[in-house]
Amino acid sequence: ILNVEQSPQSLHVQEGDSTNFTCSFPSSNFYALHWYRWETAKSPEALFVMTLNGDEKKKGRISATLNTKEGYSYLYIKGSQPEDSATYLCAPTKGGYQKVTFGTGTKLQVIP
Amino acid sequence: NAGVTQTPKFQVLKTGQSMTLQCAQDMNHNSMYWYRQDPGMGLRLIYYSASEGTTDKGEVPNGYNVSRLNKREFSLRLESAAPSQTSVYFCASNLNGETQYFGPGTRLLVL
Repeated sequence: ILNVEQSPQSLHVQEGDSTNFTCSFPSSNFYALHWYRWETAKSPEALFVMTLNGDEKKKGRISATLNTKEGYSYLYIKGSQPEDSATYLCAPTKGGYQKVTFGTGTKLQVIP
Repeated sequence: NAGVTQTPKFQVLKTGQSMTLQCAQDMNHNSMYWYRQDPGMGLRLIYYSASEGTTDKGEVPNGYNVSRLNKREFSLRLESAAPSQTSVYFCASNLNGETQYFGPGTRLLVL
């Protein structure tokens, strides 16, 4: 099992604030890092997949970076909006290894 | 494409009853997964099937069995349900370890 840690567990921010959170994972035999967005009462949906050290992906106000050497990824949200409220999950995968496990997630609540 | 479908959407069981949760995908994915969602625990992997004909235990397999019926279908069976198995169950699939696609979930209540 890949030991995945996400921090913080939960976060409350005011609308318009920018925020970020962390996913830490073992760097050995790393293949890819996936971020998912999970709204209450829905299913998780993919945000990003990153594979290379130094990768940076962006989708609107949300971006992510990857450091495979030290084993972490940051997710940034610029100018948070109430619709950003969700749990954000990360899942690292190892090469040739189909067992996909998730961190416990960061639950974000954006207060209007 | 329907993506990943799950049945039933909601089920109530009495302790000791058995049931099977069904999952199917139409994306020609080779890997399929069963997760459970519990408050504060995120998504925990119960069982997975890397390819048709293979199944492996995840983090929390006790009390469950699975069958990879064919490439499309992966079922989860509770032989003797317990209140601790009250949860929301998600099926997921992917192609060669790429992005996971999730079903809508099955909400199970064991009394």
